Amino acid sequence: KQEVTQIPAALSVPEGENLVLNCSFTDSAIYNLQWFRQDPGKGLTSLLLIQSSQREQTSGRLNASLDKSSGRSTLYIAASQPGDSATYLCAVIITGANSKLTFGKGITLSVRP
Amino acid sequence: GAGVSQSPRYKVAKRGQDVALRCDPISGHVSLFWYQQALGQGPEFLTYFQNEAQLDKSGLPSDRFFAERPEGSVSTLKIQRTQQEDSAVYLCASSFNRGTSGYTFGSGTRLTVV
Repeated sequence: KQEVTQIPAALSVPEGENLVLNCSFTDSAIYNLQWFRQDPGKGLTSLLLIQSSQREQTSGRLNASLDKSSGRSTLYIAASQPGDSATYLCAVIITGANSKLTFGKGITLSVRP
Repeated sequence: GAGVSQSPRYKVAKRGQDVALRCDPISGHVSLFWYQQALGQGPEFLTYFQNEAQLDKSGLPSDRFFAERPEGSVSTLKIQRTQQEDSAVYLCASSFNRGTSGYTFGSGTRLTVV
């Protein structure tokens, strides 16, 4: 059974700091990996999607990397801003007929002004 | 529509009441998923549709939960005889091609059973 782990559960940093959010998964036979952002009381907003054949994806100040062999992904946030405060979730799709996402519990990020 | 639409946004139900949650996916998206998210947890898979076919319902926690997508577009998640442990946010997601291009989520329905 695929398990996705995100540690730590919460992180607080000062504004302007570069930071890395980690995600690990137990089954390397993934189809793709997706990072989401969730604001309090809201749904999930897709940030970056990495196909299994890719190593990384970039969007603005965000960069996500994927290392299937080690079962890890990282989300790098450059020059963090208070508006980046949210919960960040990673999810993987394993190869197979049912393309369901398996989520980690998320990392709640607080960026202090 | 431009996004995945879910209604209602909030629902308060008395224990034992039946509820129905609606999901309107992005037009043309063949895959539709329902997830349950408890407070402080990641979303947990409930069920999956490809068009009108329910291909996986292994995540439904009990036979009080039922989902349908009769015409391959709008889906309804029904919970019968609600219990307090059913309180959660119910999220719907859709995808054009079984996740190849990723998933788009709705804003969710927050269900509170009192």
